[in-house]
Amino acid sequence: NAGVTQTPKFQVLKTGQSMTLQCAQDMNHEYMSWYRQDPGMGLRLIHYSVGAGITDQGEVPNGYNVSRSTTEDFPLRLLSAAPSQTSVYFCASSYSRLSYEQYFGPGTRLTVT
Amino acid sequence: DQQVKQNSPSLSVQEGRISILNCDYTNSMFDYFLWYKKYPAEGPTFLISISSIKDKNEDGRFTVFLNKSAKHLSLHIVPSQPGDSAVYFCAASGDNNDMRFGAGTRLTVKP
Repeated sequence: NAGVTQTPKFQVLKTGQSMTLQCAQDMNHEYMSWYRQDPGMGLRLIHYSVGAGITDQGEVPNGYNVSRSTTEDFPLRLLSAAPSQTSVYFCASSYSRLSYEQYFGPGTRLTVT
Repeated sequence: DQQVKQNSPSLSVQEGRISILNCDYTNSMFDYFLWYKKYPAEGPTFLISISSIKDKNEDGRFTVFLNKSAKHLSLHIVPSQPGDSAVYFCAASGDNNDMRFGAGTRLTVKP
């Protein structure tokens, strides 16, 4: 099993550009989520999904969109990048919404100039 | 509004001694608590968890203690090893899937 994979590892964007961060898992997990990690802030939940076709907002959803068309994939879209979105982004998954232990991907470091 | 707080950004201990990492929370609806460990350039990995119906959970060298009345939990690592050097995140969740993380504590275990 590859576990949770994320692409790209690094990305630099200009203000106003859009992009999609990819996340995939091969463990047949129902629950997937996106977090951002900022210095002194820990990880903050952006969006999550409890199954294909179902998504919901987390703590900091503004400026991001998600969709879940398959169990395996959960892409995160930045609609119009802003410098405040400079962060490290982690995707995570777990067997179900009742399985609190999540498996994290290696992260994507995004810089918006 | 940080609902989960780790007030010590860093901790340094000698190899073989006990490491104690602390975490406080404010939301009384949290009923499940976890610790994650993170090495540089990697994603966090799950370490240990505890449900609110317990006050202690042990897994090898790692023990988590929960004091619900004080809204406080702690992670004890005994004995500490150099390979334990990492950032440790405390996390808490209720039944709404909204998991909140603390800011992390960087543990350094000196040989």
